[in-house]
Amino acid sequence: KQEVTQIPAALSVPEGENLVLNCSFTDSAIYNLQWFRQDPGKGLTSLLLIQSSQREQTSGRLNASLDKSSGRSTLYIAASQPGDSATYLCAVKGGTNAGKSTFGDGTTLTVKP
Amino acid sequence: NAGVTQTPKFQVLKTGQSMTLQCAQDMNHEYMSWYRQDPGMGLRLIHYSVGAGITDQGEVPNGYNVSRSTTEDFPLRLLSAAPSQTSVYFCASSQTGGQTQYFGPGTRLLVL
Repeated sequence: KQEVTQIPAALSVPEGENLVLNCSFTDSAIYNLQWFRQDPGKGLTSLLLIQSSQREQTSGRLNASLDKSSGRSTLYIAASQPGDSATYLCAVKGGTNAGKSTFGDGTTLTVKP
Repeated sequence: NAGVTQTPKFQVLKTGQSMTLQCAQDMNHEYMSWYRQDPGMGLRLIHYSVGAGITDQGEVPNGYNVSRSTTEDFPLRLLSAAPSQTSVYFCASSQTGGQTQYFGPGTRLLVL
């Protein structure tokens, strides 16, 4: 059974700092990995999708990397802003069943002005 | 495009009542899923569908039924609500299994 862990559970940083969020998974036979953002009381917004054959994806100040062999992904946020404050979740799709996603519990990020 | 829509936004039920949570998408996506989100337990997959007429169980399917008669709609039925089903329910869709999942705004369910 796939298990996804996100560390740390919470992170507080001053504005302007670069930061890294971590996601690890136990079964390396994945289809893809997706990073989401969730604001309080809202749904999930997709940030980046990395296919199993890819090493990284970039969108603006965000960069996500994937190392399947070690079961790890990182989300790098450059020059953080207060508007980046949210919970960040990673989700892994299993290699044998592209219909099933397993989510981590998320990292709650607070960026202080 | 409206994307993924869910109704109702909030619902209160009494134990033993039944109800249907509605989910619709207008992106012609083949894959649709239902998740529940509980504090400290993250999002857990309830049921999913890879196309009209095809559904399968996720991690926590007990107490829930689904059907997929059209590509657009994927309703979730609670057969006999229990307090343990108090949660926030999210519906999601994607074009295929390998593409981006899009989420609806969620339904908050309180079972008394």
